[in-house]
Amino acid sequence: DAMVIQNPRYQVTQFGKPVTLSCSQTLNHNVMYWYQQKSSQAPKLLFHYYDKDFNNEADTPDNFQSRRPNTSFCFLDIRSPGLGDAAMYLCATRGRSGTGELFFGEGSRLTVL
Amino acid sequence: AQSVTQPDIHITVSEGASLELRCNYSYGATPYLFWYVQSPGQGLQLLLKYFSGDTLVQGIKGFEAEFKRSQSSFNLRKPSVHWSDAAEYFCAVAAGNNRKLIWGLGTSLAVNP
Repeated sequence: DAMVIQNPRYQVTQFGKPVTLSCSQTLNHNVMYWYQQKSSQAPKLLFHYYDKDFNNEADTPDNFQSRRPNTSFCFLDIRSPGLGDAAMYLCATRGRSGTGELFFGEGSRLTVL
Repeated sequence: AQSVTQPDIHITVSEGASLELRCNYSYGATPYLFWYVQSPGQGLQLLLKYFSGDTLVQGIKGFEAEFKRSQSSFNLRKPSVHWSDAAEYFCAVAAGNNRKLIWGLGTSLAVNP
C-alpha cells in the first residue's frame, strides 16, 4: 500500500546531540510537511516543502532544519536538541489536488536525556 | 483570523452510547474541513472531509459529520461508540491558497465499558 513511513519510530538522544528523523512516501505527493506535537496538544507546523521549495514557519527555531533530496524523502535535523524538543514528530504529505487533505506517517517519538 | 475551536477538551461516554464532538471554525471563504483521529502514540488518520456538496458527510469507522454554514460548525457524530474509538480527535480547516491546516486543540474521548 502507498504510505508515509517514518524512521525511527522512537529516538533517544542526549541533550545537545544532533538527531535526524526521516520520512519517505510512496504517494508521489509534491508537498511534504514536518509537524511537532507535544503531549495533549495539536500538531504544530515546523516547515513544509512544495516540490523543492522550502517554506519555514516564522516561529520555527533555527535549531530545526530540513532536507528534501528527492520527491520521496524528507529529513528533519535537530542540530542541538534541548529538553523542550522532546515530542512526537509527524511527517505528512499532500497531493496536487489542493484540497488540503494530509496523509500522515506514524510519527517519530523523540526523547531527550 | 482563521481559527478552529473544539469546546470540549475531554469527553467520556459509555460503550454503545451516541457521540457528538463539536467543532466551530472561523474562516471567511468556503472552508475545507477535516476530522482526524489519533490513537495514543500514533499518527493522525483522516476520518472524513468536507469540500462542497452534501453537507452530511460519511467517514470511516461509522463516523459522520454535518457542515452547518449558518453556525460555522462541523460536528462529528457516531450513533454507537465502541471501546476502540477512545482516542484524540482533531478538527481542522484548510485555509489560504496553500491550504495550510488550522487545527483545533483536540478532544480526548474516553469510552467506559
